[in-house]
Amino acid sequence: EVQLVESGGGLVKPGSSLKLSCVASGFTFSSYGMHWIRQAPKKGLEWIALIYYDSSNKYYADSVKGRFTISRDNSKNTLYLEMNSLRSEDTAMYYCARAVPFDYWGQGVMVTVSS
Amino acid sequence: IQMTQSPSLLSASVGDRVTLSCKAGQNINNYLAWYQQKLGEAPKLLIYNANSLQTGIPSRFSGSGSGTDFTLTISSLQPEDVATYFCQQYNSWYTFGAGTKLELK
Repeated sequence: EVQLVESGGGLVKPGSSLKLSCVASGFTFSSYGMHWIRQAPKKGLEWIALIYYDSSNKYYADSVKGRFTISRDNSKNTLYLEMNSLRSEDTAMYYCARAVPFDYWGQGVMVTVSS
Repeated sequence: IQMTQSPSLLSASVGDRVTLSCKAGQNINNYLAWYQQKLGEAPKLLIYNANSLQTGIPSRFSGSGSGTDFTLTISSLQPEDVATYFCQQYNSWYTFGAGTKLELK
């Protein structure tokens, strides 16, 4: 059974940093591109980052470019999102998701940026 | 690419045939997916490539359309179908519609 489990969220102050993790199981993690997608409270979905299966390419939405970094460790079946210079508008549920279209999603982890 | 869904809220009765609409701002070559999100849960993939049913999804769900206009149809609405439905294009990066909230009448 495919499972994606996120962790690392929390309440942080504007300007601070946070690193999310997504542990994958039930499939060959190293064969799939992976994504981070977020959903602000009572809002729609926003794709924010993609990493290729072998980390050879990484892409970001303009809203997070230069502040967020996506990475992965295929030996640990883990996807990461390092978030710097956090803003109030980054407050959202953050999901990791597999492939395109996004066929499996994690349960999400909440990030709240507030003073 | 902007994705526009209508209606934003839809009320229907159990057993009804329900149709949700999604319009793309330009031709997306049928690279369109539909997701179902129940309250407090992650989205679930229902349909991909505009009309292909994801494994494990009930056959009462179907997708149609091409180019810029797409439709998700639920042939006979069930109580467990109450959710918000999002369309998403993956022809040029990835953008989602704002969603249609489906409730029981």
